[in-house]
Amino acid sequence: EAQVTQNPRYLITVTGKKLTVTCSQNMNHEYMSWYRQDPGLGLRQIYYSMNVEVTDKGDVPEGYKVSRKEKRNFPLILESPSPNQTSLYFCASGGTRLTEAFFGQGTRLTVV
Amino acid sequence: GEDVEQSLFLSVREGDSSVINCTYTDSSSTYLYWYKQEPGAGLQLLTYIFSNMDMKQDQRLTVLLNKKDKHLSLRIADTQTGDSAIYFCAEAGTALIFGKGTTLSVSS
Repeated sequence: EAQVTQNPRYLITVTGKKLTVTCSQNMNHEYMSWYRQDPGLGLRQIYYSMNVEVTDKGDVPEGYKVSRKEKRNFPLILESPSPNQTSLYFCASGGTRLTEAFFGQGTRLTVV
Repeated sequence: GEDVEQSLFLSVREGDSSVINCTYTDSSSTYLYWYKQEPGAGLQLLTYIFSNMDMKQDQRLTVLLNKKDKHLSLRIADTQTGDSAIYFCAEAGTALIFGKGTTLSVSS
């Protein structure tokens, strides 16, 4: 079954404690991306990757890191989380021409 | 830069048609999408249209694209309470850019 898998689905953490949200896709897609969703702000892109070892900043990259060492995985790293990073995060993947983007189920992160 | 705009709310009665509008700015976008997000769930692709098309119909859904005005619309015929959700318009250029979403509320 074609899918994008994010883990964890829910996470509560404390300010400053490094965390990683994993994202994996089984469709051999070149394109992967991270978004955060906040009320009234819609989906904002954090980082995206057009292929292995190629990553680019989206609209709101501050406070986040990503890596794309292999095609299927695109982890999102928060080196020192802060409360303003409390949000719902989505990972997405798609083919080179973005003919269709598949989304993970989301990770609800709370930073206290 | 790229920006996608949608109205934030739409309220309709069950059985009526719903029309959700979207404007985009990147004329190089190859595909335009409509996604649906139900409460507590991820995004589900509803339909998409290639930039050289004017219209696409898929059962109760009709997508209209006016490339000159960079305007995209989604019409849902015979709207049902199960259609209540947030609908996102998105454009695909070098990356996938979303609007803020339109919350559709369907009353019986």
